[in-house]
Order: sequence, then structure tokens, then C-alpha cells
Amino acid sequence: DVKVTQSSRYLVKRTGEKVFLECVQDMDHENMFWYRQDPGLGLRLIYFSYDVKMKEKGDIPEGYSVSREKKERFSLILESASTNQTSMYLCASSPPGRILSNSPLHFGNGTRLTVT
Amino acid sequence: EDKVVQSPLSLVVHEGDTVTLNCSYEVTNFRSLLWYKQEKKAPTFLFMLTSSGIEKKSGRLSSILDKKELFSILNITATQTGDSAVYLCAVDPNDMRFGAGTRLTVKP
Repeated sequence: DVKVTQSSRYLVKRTGEKVFLECVQDMDHENMFWYRQDPGLGLRLIYFSYDVKMKEKGDIPEGYSVSREKKERFSLILESASTNQTSMYLCASSPPGRILSNSPLHFGNGTRLTVT
Repeated sequence: EDKVVQSPLSLVVHEGDTVTLNCSYEVTNFRSLLWYKQEKKAPTFLFMLTSSGIEKKSGRLSSILDKKELFSILNITATQTGDSAVYLCAVDPNDMRFGAGTRLTVKP
């Protein structure tokens, strides 16, 4: 069974802090994704990666960066947290294949980040 | 342990058929149940359900929640090839719990 683990369930940070959200998957998946979910907006893609050291911007990359130094780990970085980044953050992975394939995403349980 | 179970895992139908997708859950502190349609890089939000017995409807899609029996169904009538996708159910009891998804294939 695929497991996607996000390091924190809840985080509270102050405006201007640097924030790291970590995600680890145990199924050797090549594709990994970071989304944020906000009420009424559904899931929005921030960044994704299809291989180690590779990254692609999603729909809302501003204010975020990512790191993929190892295949199993995909980190989301908020360089200087702002209140409008308060959200639920979801990491996901998917099996090898075309990045836009219909392979189901395996999601982590999410991190609720509050920026005060 | 919280869990969300979707059935069937995959389904193949022909255009014009009606399909029913199922989602059952066991979570603590239930807040809402969400349905997504996943075609490409980001699942598309379909419905959010918080109350039992109130049908949400959007075109040919509809969904209803039963909080007593802990399940929801997603109905699609008069299916079209464009309905082919993975349909995800998610439950929000403070964090997101997703089901494995149902892969729907609609053949011409």
C-alpha cells in the first residue's frame, strides 16, 4: 500500500518566517506534487516534480519553492510566509508515466498551516 | 483509524449509461465530504457535502450524503466520453482523507 507521509499535521508560523513542509513517499514514485486546498477553490497545484532535481511550476507557484534531492522526498518551502498562505497543503505522488496521465494520485494527509 | 473507501475501483460503461460511484468513510470529527474529478494534473472540485439528505446537483452530476450510514454516492446520468476520469472522494475531519478513487471509462 502506497504511503505518502507529510511531516506535520498542523503548523503555526509567523509572517516572514521561512517554512519547510516535508513529504516522503515509499513507493518509488517518480512524480510528486504539492497542492494547496482552500474553501471553494478545490485543489490548486503549486509545484510538481517528475524526477530527482527536476521541478515544474504549477498554477500558483508565487511565494513558494521546492526541493527534490532524493526520489522519495519532495519539500515545499515558503521563503517568507505571509497570511495569505494560510491553507491546507497536500502532497501527492503517482506512478511513473506521463505527468498528465490519468494515474490516480496518492495523497498525504495534509498539513494545515496557519500564518499569523 | 480514519479511512475512506471508494467502490468500485474501476468501471467501464458506454455513452448514455447512468453510473453510481460509492464512498464510505470512518473518521472522527467529520466536517465535510468532497468529491473531485481527476483528469490531468489537478483534481477538479465537484461537490462539498456537509449535511445528510440534501442532494447537490450540477448538470448531469449529483451527490448525496448519509451521515448516519457514513457514505456518499456520486451519480452521473447520460454519461459522455468526457466523463472518463478518476473520481476522488475525500473526507475532512481536520485533515484530508482521500479514497483510492474510482476510474471511470466511458466508451463511445
